Amino acid sequence: KAGVTQTPRYLIKTRGQQVTLSCSPISGHRSVSWYQQTPGQGLQFLFEYFSETQRNKGNFPGRFSGRQFSNSRSEMNVSTLELGDSALYLCASSLGTGRNTIYFGEGSWLTVV
Amino acid sequence: QQQVKQSPQSLIVQKGGIPIINCAYENTAFDYFPWYQQFPGKGPALLIAIRPDVSEKKEGRFTISFNKSAKQFSLHIMDSQPGDSATYFCAASINAGNMLTFGGGTRLMVKP
Repeated sequence: KAGVTQTPRYLIKTRGQQVTLSCSPISGHRSVSWYQQTPGQGLQFLFEYFSETQRNKGNFPGRFSGRQFSNSRSEMNVSTLELGDSALYLCASSLGTGRNTIYFGEGSWLTVV
Repeated sequence: QQQVKQSPQSLIVQKGGIPIINCAYENTAFDYFPWYQQFPGKGPALLIAIRPDVSEKKEGRFTISFNKSAKQFSLHIMDSQPGDSATYFCAASINAGNMLTFGGGTRLMVKP
């Protein structure tokens, strides 16, 4: 069974640009969560989508947004990129109902220059 | 505000030793406490998890001890191996939901 797939794996953007990251969850999983990982702030929750609806949201500015499609695939978007947005962005999926194991992808490395 | 505090930040042990990583939480609404292992270039992978109605849980060489009154939990790795060298994260969530609050991580090195 394929794991959580994230694309692209690496990307470099310029300050002020916007970026879209994609996540394909494990087949059958309806919940997709996004996390930001940086050396300074560690792993921080961005948001969670379940059945195309945002179910939870972390403490990030509105420049960070996401969506989920009917096939459970998800995208996150960061607009007006800042240097501090350089991070590893991790997608995680689970069945989303009850107490289910959360599986992480390998992440998308974003560098803002 | 960091709601889950993890220590130590780094740890070096000899092969066969028992590294212990500790976490403390503030929010008493947390009811699910997983531990994740992360290798360089990879996403975190679930190791073991515990709920507050249990004081200890073992899976293979990994053991979680949980102290509800002290709001603390810890990971013990028995008979540690060089292949266990990784970064370990404790986490917590409410209603075992997908909104995980992570500790700061512990970089473990197991020397041969």
